[in-house]
Amino acid sequence: KNQVEQSPQSLIILEGKNCTLQCNYTVSPFSNLRWYKQDTGRGPVSLTIMTFSENTKSNGRYTATLDADTKQSSLHITASQLSDSASYICVVTSSGTYKYIFGTGTRLKVLA
Amino acid sequence: DVKVTQSSRYLVKRTGEKVFLECVQDMDHENMFWYRQDPGLGLRLIYFSYDVKMKEKGDIPEGYSVSREKKERFSLILESASTNQTSMYLCASSRQGWGTNQPQHFGDGTRLSIL
Repeated sequence: KNQVEQSPQSLIILEGKNCTLQCNYTVSPFSNLRWYKQDTGRGPVSLTIMTFSENTKSNGRYTATLDADTKQSSLHITASQLSDSASYICVVTSSGTYKYIFGTGTRLKVLA
Repeated sequence: DVKVTQSSRYLVKRTGEKVFLECVQDMDHENMFWYRQDPGLGLRLIYFSYDVKMKEKGDIPEGYSVSREKKERFSLILESASTNQTSMYLCASSRQGWGTNQPQHFGDGTRLSIL
């Protein structure tokens, strides 16, 4: 069964600290992996999209990694800011289909 | 910037009512999607459309229907609302092609309560 699992479910860090969110998937055949940020009461916004051949992609203070062999991805946030408080959702797409398989997200809270 | 606009942010309806949720995108995207988002669950696909008048069932289509008469507009219809359809509904759009690197662009959601 195609699944995407994220950990931790929630995380609290102090402003200025770094953190790493994890995503494991069992989707096959794999096409690409996406990370989205969802602020409370808003729709998800795309941060990065990575294909099979890419193992690192950055978007400002956000860096996503992908290990297609172990089917794992991580999202690293550097020098966190209060505005990083949000849910972060990992999404994997399967080749040749319209299927986007969503993880349940990691809820991050950054404290001053 | 791509803009996906959902007609209502909050909506309260009664059981048995027919409910319409509207979504409009301004980037001439071919694909449009309706999801529902519930606590502890990932987004679940209700229906999607890859062209005008074309639609495909997603994972949870029961109790819902859709309409796409124009490229920019995708409507979700709850035929006879029930309390288990209380949820956050998200509309998204993207350029043509499956499993491509095109991002999905989401609206800000409609929080629907069925009493």
